[in-house]
Amino acid sequence: GENVEQHPSTLSVQEGDSAVIKCTYSDSASNYFPWYKQELGKGPQLIIDIRSNVGEKKDQRIAVTLNKTAKHFSLHITETQPEDSAVYFCAASITRSNYQLIWGAGTKLIIKP
Amino acid sequence: KAGVTQTPRYLIKTRGQQVTLSCSPISGHRSVSWYQQTPGQGLQFLFEYFSETQRNKGNFPGRFSGRQFSNSRSEMNVSTLELGDSALYLCASSLERGAGTEAFFGQGTRLTVV
Repeated sequence: GENVEQHPSTLSVQEGDSAVIKCTYSDSASNYFPWYKQELGKGPQLIIDIRSNVGEKKDQRIAVTLNKTAKHFSLHITETQPEDSAVYFCAASITRSNYQLIWGAGTKLIIKP
Repeated sequence: KAGVTQTPRYLIKTRGQQVTLSCSPISGHRSVSWYQQTPGQGLQFLFEYFSETQRNKGNFPGRFSGRQFSNSRSEMNVSTLELGDSALYLCASSLERGAGTEAFFGQGTRLTVV
């Protein structure tokens, strides 16, 4: 079946450095890839997304890149700040069910002061 | 604008009991999805409701069920609880159906089965 693999499971970076989280998907027809951030005690919140007709998208310190040939996409956070500490989830749309997403297992990002 | 509201926030139940969780979506949102979140497993899709009809269902046993009311509020029920059902249950609402539509999540209901 379809799956999304997310790495690493935990990422610790120094404040001010960059963080990169990678996801690989199995369904070559997936066309929508969102990233969600979950802070402690809260539900996940969409931070950025990308569609298959675009290779890169940026929003201030956050960017997402998509490589359709290799079937992987990545989240890049530059100039990390303490408030970036959270769990990040990637997801990919499932073509057999146009309205559903399959999720990665999550990455706990720790920003060290 | 009020967000997605889930009640209760915390619940402790005994094996074999049943439980009902409630979700009130953002006003005007017609799609409600439910997820089970456990450590290291990410979000596992349970089901999606739209216009009071279940549109999609994940790979969970029949003990897990749900429904949606005419005001888009949704409930999920778990019968004959097992220890493995302990998890955070998240509800997400969307304005419309579609994987490209942003999902807004509630804070979740933390269910502990003892």
